[in-house]
Amino acid sequence: GAGVSQTPSNKVTEKGKYVELRCDPISGHTALYWYRQSLGQGPEFLIYFQGTGAADDSGLPNDRFFAVRPEGSVSTLKIQRTERGDSAVYLCASSPSGTSGIYNEQFFGPGTRLTVL
Amino acid sequence: AQKITQTQPGMFVQEKEAVTLDCTYDTSDQSYGLFWYKQPSSGEMIFLIYQGSYDEQNATEGRYSLNFQKARKSANLVISASQLGDSAMYFCAMRQYGSARQLTFGSGTQLTVLP
Repeated sequence: GAGVSQTPSNKVTEKGKYVELRCDPISGHTALYWYRQSLGQGPEFLIYFQGTGAADDSGLPNDRFFAVRPEGSVSTLKIQRTERGDSAVYLCASSPSGTSGIYNEQFFGPGTRLTVL
Repeated sequence: AQKITQTQPGMFVQEKEAVTLDCTYDTSDQSYGLFWYKQPSSGEMIFLIYQGSYDEQNATEGRYSLNFQKARKSANLVISASQLGDSAMYFCAMRQYGSARQLTFGSGTQLTVLP
């Protein structure tokens, strides 16, 4: 079956512009996560959705970052007034449920590489 | 707060040899899970193996095994019979039980398998 998909694969923008990054999770997965991976680092948590609601947005760095998942499937990460420091790979992951135990394998998409010039 | 430490930025191993990638963690929780992911140059994170904090046996998945030493708070990944396709970045990660659903990752180890 289809895995997690993310579009675009690459996005180049200018400082101050607005960008949207899209994540299409595995069908039926209720939990969706966004991570940011800077060069040479491990992914860092941004936000977690359970269904349509953001259950935990504690990782969003500031109010320029916002994410939605209006119908409980596709999610969009929105970044306003982009800064050069926002340049990173943005990873999306989904899992069948966010509420089951500890073992909760997250399936990752290929990421969107964002470059802010 | 959770923290994952991977002290080996890069490792080299000869093809067909075994290699151990180190991971130590810090948590005050009793219930947690430890994961290893592989990230090839293509960028996608591939799940390899999982160990629960209450699991008494070390986890194994094919050529991957996890050397779990709870008292030392270490969860090292052992790859046996290395293959050229194993060359990639490897990340150790932790997940707490309870409200925190996200994974906390280490900084990774770049493994290069030499022919």
